[in-house]
Amino acid sequence: EPEVTQTPSHQVTQMGQEVILRCVPISNHLYFYWYRQILGQKVEFLVSFYNNEISEKSEIFDDQFSVERPDGSNFTLKIRSTKLEDSAMYFCASSARYIASTDTQYFGPGTRLTVL
Amino acid sequence: SQKIEQNSEALNIQEGKTATLTCNYTNYSPAYLQWYRQDPGRGPVFLLLIRENEKEKRKERLKVTFDTTLKQSLFHITASQPADSATYLCALDLAGGGNKLTFGTGTQLKVEL
Repeated sequence: EPEVTQTPSHQVTQMGQEVILRCVPISNHLYFYWYRQILGQKVEFLVSFYNNEISEKSEIFDDQFSVERPDGSNFTLKIRSTKLEDSAMYFCASSARYIASTDTQYFGPGTRLTVL
Repeated sequence: SQKIEQNSEALNIQEGKTATLTCNYTNYSPAYLQWYRQDPGRGPVFLLLIRENEKEKRKERLKVTFDTTLKQSLFHITASQPADSATYLCALDLAGGGNKLTFGTGTQLKVEL
């Protein structure tokens, strides 16, 4: 069964450094998402991406964050200058979501980001 | 303010019994409500989706109800098994642009032998 994959599974970085989290969505899906979950808290929406542009973003997704689909398979989240409070589990998701219908979102296993 | 509330206390039940989890929301008008399962350190796994014009949905041992008047969804697992032990998340899809999901905090279910 197709699944969303994410790399790395765990990333440790120093405060102020840039990190890139990578995701390979399910191959025929059109919508891509990033969510994060701080330890012990709820899953929070960061950004959605469709047709090579951001569809919607949350207040969390400030100028330090960016997303890109550099090729036909990868979807990346970049944090330019990490802060301690960016430490969280980051989940990528994808959905088929054709026009006039909706479709479920399939989540990857997550990347645990630890900022020291 | 907008809120999605799930029982914060863990639910412990005996194997074979029916587990019922609650999701209440305020100041939202969701087009869809979804239930996910999350195991420790893992990503959410989709279980069921119910639309605003549907009252009930079933899948194997799972049943979801959706009452838009009460602003509440109930999630039932019948004949529960220890393997059902996990955190269950409800998520609202407002069907606006972007299709973002807004999650509740989740309820931890533990099924004991």
